[in-house]
Amino acid sequence: DIQMTQSPASLSASLGETVSIECLASEDIYSYLAWYQQKPGKSPQLLIYAANRLQDGVPSRFSGSGSGTQYSLKISGMQPEDEGDYFCLQGSKFPPALGSGTKLEIK
Amino acid sequence: EVQLVESGGGLVQPGRSLKLSCLASGFTFSNYGMNWIRQAPGKGLEWIASISSSSNYIYYADTVKGRFTISRDNGKNTLYLQMTSLRSEDTALYYCTKLKSYYFDYWGQGVMVTVSS
Repeated sequence: DIQMTQSPASLSASLGETVSIECLASEDIYSYLAWYQQKPGKSPQLLIYAANRLQDGVPSRFSGSGSGTQYSLKISGMQPEDEGDYFCLQGSKFPPALGSGTKLEIK
Repeated sequence: EVQLVESGGGLVQPGRSLKLSCLASGFTFSNYGMNWIRQAPGKGLEWIASISSSSNYIYYADTVKGRFTISRDNGKNTLYLQMTSLRSEDTALYYCTKLKSYYFDYWGQGVMVTVSS
């Protein structure tokens, strides 16, 4: 099975700061990667799919990049509403594998 | 608007059974694969089961294989998860998710299952 290693586990950022979260796959996942945001007490919301495609309605400050085994989510200009947990999902091979999550807080 | 509403959770003793339901609306349910994902308290998310649109393909995580059964009723727009031989480590918030291609594009609000004596 493919393993997803996500880093960092937690992150603190100032308003307006650019932040990055990484996911490393145990093998090539050919950009079959999605990113999600989960706010406390809420269900996860899709942000990015196909490694870099922005889901409809997601602010353009969110972007995804990467290929092969290395992928990243970038938030360009941290906003108060961006606080929450973020995780990645690989869908290249069954079973789907989720990253362990990154808790993003405002500094 | 896509909606996924889970129900059927609660407190159950170890070794007992419980059946979760997920009522879908806002899309053509019979056209999409569906999944169950769970999140234990303070832990990450774990995929546990998938079912294709017509129930032809069904997959389980090793942690629940042989104990849990995923099924669906396309006439009722409902996804199910029958859980048997429950263990304390099955305590989690269970999410129903809609599959689009290879990723989950919509998630329900989750239903809590607590396994404890």
